[in-house]
Amino acid sequence: DGGITQSPKYLFRKEGQNVTLSCEQNLNHDAMYWYRQDPGQGLRLIYYSQIVNDFQKGDIAEGYSVSREKKESFPLTVTSAQKNPTAFYLCASSMRGTSNYGYTFGSGTRLTVV
Amino acid sequence: AQSVTQLDSQVPVFEEAPVELRCNYSSSVSVYLFWYVQYPNQGLQLLLKYLSGSTLVKGINGFEAEFNKSQTSFHLRKPSVHISDTAEYFCAVSVPMDSSYKLIFGSGTRLLVRP
Repeated sequence: DGGITQSPKYLFRKEGQNVTLSCEQNLNHDAMYWYRQDPGQGLRLIYYSQIVNDFQKGDIAEGYSVSREKKESFPLTVTSAQKNPTAFYLCASSMRGTSNYGYTFGSGTRLTVV
Repeated sequence: AQSVTQLDSQVPVFEEAPVELRCNYSSSVSVYLFWYVQYPNQGLQLLLKYLSGSTLVKGINGFEAEFNKSQTSFHLRKPSVHISDTAEYFCAVSVPMDSSYKLIFGSGTRLLVRP
């Protein structure tokens, strides 16, 4: 079945560490997105990519980095510059340029700083 | 700027009662509207969407929503809820972004169904 796979499901980070969250899709979607979810704040866009080797900052990109070397993969790195990284991270994908399609979401990664 | 407002952060309701989750949006252009559901520690699943045509949209799990352009609203309804409907619900609007689009989400409404 086609879908989006996020791993790991739970991740613990020590202070000062960089960690990378994986996102893989087999839907043949062009566009991919990373959202951060905090209680009571909904979803906030971190980064997005519409084609391979191109990505753009979203609303809260500081302290995060991404790459898009393959169409299927869009990993997110949470760097030590992100001062409050504890959150639920969601990856999504969509067909490029089709605003009526909506997004397909992965099942999320919960990151906790210890 | 486009935005989405979900007026209720939490809605408690008894099982088999009707429920309405409210959503208002602001946009200067034609919009596409969506409702998503999120169960604990999971991703978001599409419930329904409004693109054009009939203002009453039916979705999965017995949910429906009505688009009201004059009131800029897209409220979600279900005539009789089940315990399994307990989840968080997000309203979203599609807005242009570069050569594509992005979804802007409301802050969510937690539906708590009690026996």
